[in-house]
Amino acid sequence: KAGVTQTPRYLIKTRGQQVTLSCSPISGHRSVSWYQQTPGQGLQFLFEYFSETQRNKGNFPGRFSGRQFSNSRSEMNVSTLELGDSALYLCASSRGGEGGPEQYFGPGTRLTVT
Amino acid sequence: QKEVEQNSGPLSVPEGAIASLNCTYSDRGSQSFFWYRQYSGKSPELIMSIYSNGDKEDGRFTAQLNKASQYVSLLIRDSQPSDSATYLCAVTPNAGGTSYGKLTFGQGTILTVHP
Repeated sequence: KAGVTQTPRYLIKTRGQQVTLSCSPISGHRSVSWYQQTPGQGLQFLFEYFSETQRNKGNFPGRFSGRQFSNSRSEMNVSTLELGDSALYLCASSRGGEGGPEQYFGPGTRLTVT
Repeated sequence: QKEVEQNSGPLSVPEGAIASLNCTYSDRGSQSFFWYRQYSGKSPELIMSIYSNGDKEDGRFTAQLNKASQYVSLLIRDSQPSDSATYLCAVTPNAGGTSYGKLTFGQGTILTVHP
């Protein structure tokens, strides 16, 4: 079974720009969660989507948003990029609901904001 | 107090020894507990999940959970140099199926297994 995939793997953007990251979950998984990982803050939860609905949200500003499509693929958008948004963005998928909470991570997107 | 705290590292053990990694959490309602391994430059990899008090063994790994003490640990027996990585403890913050999608992570413990 194919794992979680994320595109692009690397991205360089300029302050003020916006960016969209994509995540394809493991087949059959309905939940997609997004995390930001930085050396200073570690792994922090951004939000989770389940059946096209945002089910949980972390403590990030409104510049961070996401959505999920009917095939469970998810996108995350960051608008008006700041230098501090430079990080590894990880998505993780799980069956969700009764199917089990184990989350499996994709390889991540390394975002650099200059 | 941080929601999830791990024992400060780095932790260095000789090959063949037992490595012990510890984690405490603040939310008494937490239901699901996970250990992830993250190699440098890679994404986290799930190695253990535990939901009930007691021990859960999988190969060389044993996870231990004590909800009364709000404590979860990971033991790695017969440690190998390939076990050298950062180990992350993760917790779902409270009871209920709708919370499963949110994991709160500890800062991680760097483990080095030297030959």
